[in-house]
Amino acid sequence: DVKVTQSSRYLVKRTGEKVFLECVQDMDHENMFWYRQDPGLGLRLIYFSYDVKMKEKGDIPEGYSVSREKKERFSLILESASTNQTSMYLCASSLGGAGEETQYFGPGTRLLVL
Amino acid sequence: DQQVKQNSPSLSVQEGRISILNCDYTNSMFDYFLWYKKYPAEGPTFLISISSIKDKNEDGRFTVFLNKSAKHLSLHIVPSQPGDSAVYFCAASGGYSTLTFGKGTMLLVSP
Repeated sequence: DVKVTQSSRYLVKRTGEKVFLECVQDMDHENMFWYRQDPGLGLRLIYFSYDVKMKEKGDIPEGYSVSREKKERFSLILESASTNQTSMYLCASSLGGAGEETQYFGPGTRLLVL
Repeated sequence: DQQVKQNSPSLSVQEGRISILNCDYTNSMFDYFLWYKKYPAEGPTFLISISSIKDKNEDGRFTVFLNKSAKHLSLHIVPSQPGDSAVYFCAASGGYSTLTFGKGTMLLVSP
């Protein structure tokens, strides 16, 4: 079974803090993704990565950055947290390649920015 | 511009009956479609997928139908169970590794 883990289930941070969300997958997947989920808006892609040290912007990258130093680990960074970044953050991974688009998700991190 | 649309925010069904969740897409380059199920405070779990070369795929109680000419797919759950109550997301891929998700449909199955 694919296992995607996220470092925290719940986080409370203050406005202006730097926030790190960590994601690890154990299936040697090439691709990793960060989404946020908000009521009525579905899942929106923030950033993704096809390979180590590679990153691509998704639909809503503003206010975020990412880091992928190792294949199994993909970090999402909020440089200066703001209240509008209060959300559920979901990490996912996929094998990559044609016919291998299925993404497997972690349990999510619910972030509250005060 | 939403490329994947789930026009019903919610659906209520009685236990034992059929649940039909619908999804429409606009991008003709999409060739692979997936359904995910999500419980509150958990990550989405993959349910079932279908390639554009097929028009039906079945896995136990779950069947996905694809109508390419109408750019429409549907997920049928038969029989529905209370444990199926969750938010269901439709997603589509166009040959790249990213998925485009719909906004989800909340299914409530009552005993």
